[in-house]
Amino acid sequence: NAGVMQNPRHLVRRRGQEARLRCSPMKGHSHVYWYRQLPEEGLKFMVYLQKENIIDESGMPKERFSAEFPKEGPSILRIQQVVRGDSAAYFCASSPLLEGSHGYTFGSGTRLTVV
Amino acid sequence: AQSVTQLDSQVPVFEEAPVELRCNYSSSVSVYLFWYVQYPNQGLQLLLKYLSGSTLVKGINGFEAEFNKSQTSFHLRKPSVHISDTAEYFCAVSVSGGSNYKLTFGKGTLLTVNP
Repeated sequence: NAGVMQNPRHLVRRRGQEARLRCSPMKGHSHVYWYRQLPEEGLKFMVYLQKENIIDESGMPKERFSAEFPKEGPSILRIQQVVRGDSAAYFCASSPLLEGSHGYTFGSGTRLTVV
Repeated sequence: AQSVTQLDSQVPVFEEAPVELRCNYSSSVSVYLFWYVQYPNQGLQLLLKYLSGSTLVKGINGFEAEFNKSQTSFHLRKPSVHISDTAEYFCAVSVSGGSNYKLTFGKGTLLTVNP
């Protein structure tokens, strides 16, 4: 039973390009959460999604960032027109229905570097 | 809103010595408490969690933590550390209620175990 799969593990983008980060939840998990870890900081909540629904995007920057969790396929975190300040580690977690933070399993993260 | 303070950003210890990593939280409502470990370039792994019941919680790898409601603390302890315990440790909280899916993290404590 594979865990939460994130890819790519490392991503380098030039300023102004788009970054697409993918997250496949654990089998049987229907809830996905994205967190961002800036250098020397803890993780900060970005967005919570269920299949085809955004439940809470209160932690998402208002511009350039979007997330989706389609009926088929992985969840995608998309960052348009990246800037140096977007360089960070982006972690995805998934949980079963109704367990919320109790049932989190984290992926290994995508480390985005903007040059 | 909740907040988490990890009082020590770095804790160096010698192998086989005891260690305590401190965590204090602030919340106006009841919380759930978590400790996660992050090894270099990896995702977060749950060490232990407090949801309710006994205030002394035992986790993996010989770690334990004690919930102290009056002092709003959840310190992590291990009686004898190994080199392999060298990692970053994060304390986190979520509310016990409607938004219990969202974790608020501290900035982390880097534990370095020296031979």
